Amino acid sequence: DAGVTQSPTHLIKTRGQHVTLRCSPISGHKSVSWYQQVLGQGPQFIFQYYEKEERGRGNFPDRFSARQFPNYSSELNVNALLLGDSALYLCASSGLANEKLFFGSGTQLSVL
Amino acid sequence: DAKTTQPTSMDCAEGRAANLPCNHSTISGNEYVYWYRQIHSQGPQYIIHGLKNNETNEMASLIITEDRKSSTLILPHATLRDTAVYYCIAPLNSGGYQKVTFGTGTKLQVIP
Repeated sequence: DAGVTQSPTHLIKTRGQHVTLRCSPISGHKSVSWYQQVLGQGPQFIFQYYEKEERGRGNFPDRFSARQFPNYSSELNVNALLLGDSALYLCASSGLANEKLFFGSGTQLSVL
Repeated sequence: DAKTTQPTSMDCAEGRAANLPCNHSTISGNEYVYWYRQIHSQGPQYIIHGLKNNETNEMASLIITEDRKSSTLILPHATLRDTAVYYCIAPLNSGGYQKVTFGTGTKLQVIP
């Protein structure tokens, strides 16, 4: 079975642009969470979606938004990119909202 | 979610047991302890979790103290492939969602 897949794997943007990151969960998983990992730190929680509804939001500005589609895949959108948004963005899926997480390999975003 | 405290780094000789401690003194009665690890540039990988009782699976053993204020992850025979950052977390489960807060983890270096 395929694991959690994320696209693209790498992305380079300039300040002020917007970006869309995509995530496909493990088949049968209904919960998707997004994390931001800056170099040298642990992943930081951004959003959790379950059954297409936002269930949790971390301490991130409104420039960050996400949604989950009927097939449970998800997109993370970031507007007005800042240099500080450069990070590894991780997607994780789980069967239920409170189960162990399965992570993708992430999207490495560089903002120049 | 309960705050967890881990040593910044540890070394372990190849073939020996690696014992990684974690303090979670503010953990509440229904919060599980989870362990994940992250090998460089990959997404975190689930290892094991527990509530009260000690747990063992094909990857590791988890020992939780009776008062649940601390736990130890044991890798019985460490290999070079076990070199990674290990995260101990106690997610908050509330309102049908799970908020996972990663700290900086323990960087385990397995030495030949």
